[in-house]
Amino acid sequence: TAGITQAPTSQILAAGRSMTLRCTQDMRHNAMYWYRQDLGLGLRLIHYSNTAGTTGKGEVPDGYSVSRANTDDFPLTLASAVPSQTSVYFCASRLARDTGELFFGEGSRLTVL
Amino acid sequence: GQQLNQSPQSMFIQEGEDVSMNCTSSSIFNTWLWYKQDPGEGPVLLIALYKAGELTSNGRLTAQFGITRKDSFLNISASIPSDVGIYFCAGHAYSGAGSYQLTFGKGTKLSVIP
Repeated sequence: TAGITQAPTSQILAAGRSMTLRCTQDMRHNAMYWYRQDLGLGLRLIHYSNTAGTTGKGEVPDGYSVSRANTDDFPLTLASAVPSQTSVYFCASRLARDTGELFFGEGSRLTVL
Repeated sequence: GQQLNQSPQSMFIQEGEDVSMNCTSSSIFNTWLWYKQDPGEGPVLLIALYKAGELTSNGRLTAQFGITRKDSFLNISASIPSDVGIYFCAGHAYSGAGSYQLTFGKGTKLSVIP
């Protein structure tokens, strides 16, 4: 069972370059999310999508953009990476909006130099 | 936005000991969730709590949804080395206009000494 697949697993990126982190789920979940995890700060929501065709901003959206062209895919793009975007990024999905149960991917470790 | 205070931040325990961690909030939540994150992996749901006062077990894990709906605790009994990881609490609440918000605590890092 695949669940949520993230790619790449890790990446080193030069500052100023663009990067897209990919996320695909095969559970037909309506809602999808992108979090970043930093030491001492826990999980912080970057962007979310309640359903295909809609997106919204989370707690730390600046410097990131997302799209939700279909139910399965939710890519996260960094248009011009900066060192403060060095982090571990997690994609997650949720079946029903009123239960709160998120399923997470394995994470993408991004280092911006 | 809503904030969760999770404690302790980290703990070192001897194998076989019991562990307790908790989360408190100034806001009311409809659901409390507890996740575990193994090193290098994504968080995995351990226990979900849906009603105030609810006490739920999952093997050696027990979690409770506080009566006030503003707190929750997680206990692990007879810890073993594979319990090592970061434990997150999360609270879920209706935030208006058809929107639901999930708020995470900052995590409790558990180390088990064999």
